[in-house]
Amino acid sequence: QSALTQPASVSGSPGQSITISCTGASSDVGGYNYVSWYQQHPGKAPKLMIFDVSNRPSGVSDRFSGSKSGNTASLTISGLQAEDEADYYCSSYTSSNTYVFGTGTKVTVL
Amino acid sequence: QVQLVQSGAEVKMPGASVKVSCKASGHTFINYYMNWVRQAPGQGLEWMGIIDPSGGSTRSAQKFQGRVTMTRDTSTSTVYMELNSLRSEDTAVYYCARDGRGENWFDPWGQGTLVTVSS
Repeated sequence: QSALTQPASVSGSPGQSITISCTGASSDVGGYNYVSWYQQHPGKAPKLMIFDVSNRPSGVSDRFSGSKSGNTASLTISGLQAEDEADYYCSSYTSSNTYVFGTGTKVTVL
Repeated sequence: QVQLVQSGAEVKMPGASVKVSCKASGHTFINYYMNWVRQAPGQGLEWMGIIDPSGGSTRSAQKFQGRVTMTRDTSTSTVYMELNSLRSEDTAVYYCARDGRGENWFDPWGQGTLVTVSS
């Protein structure tokens, strides 16, 4: 199972919106609404930000939103803040009854 | 609150085995699956496998089949991940992460356990 494809880096100024893509195949992202997104600060464990494509867990800012079209899922961060600077990973359930993560995206707040 | 506490860092020789533990608290242990995810230095996340603490059934990524063993102890609400035939490429932080039955996401995560494979 190959990793889902994410851009290596995305940057934006405070207050701007950015979008991170996560591209897979019909056997994972495109076949199920089981895409989740994780934020990871350096030296820390990942934190769930979005589940089931577009749902936010309790306590996660509504500046974070998710969507999906075909084999590509997206995470949008609006009103970018300094604290959003981190690595972001997508994950998807697969037709092999396993999970696969994305390659990861480093978000930089300029 | 739900908490996953992992065992401490390990240093192993190539060819050896390592066993990492993950103790759960704050939820009914047998009601949630537990996953293992690893992250090599400077690299991304890699899903390794999952265990159902209720019956002990497991499944793993093809890459680790035959080399990883996941077990649980319901009396202490602890799951274990043992990786054998270690090589330098197995140097990584290993995380446990909970997911609910019928859910397909990971929350929360343990604090991570650094396993270093070096001669």
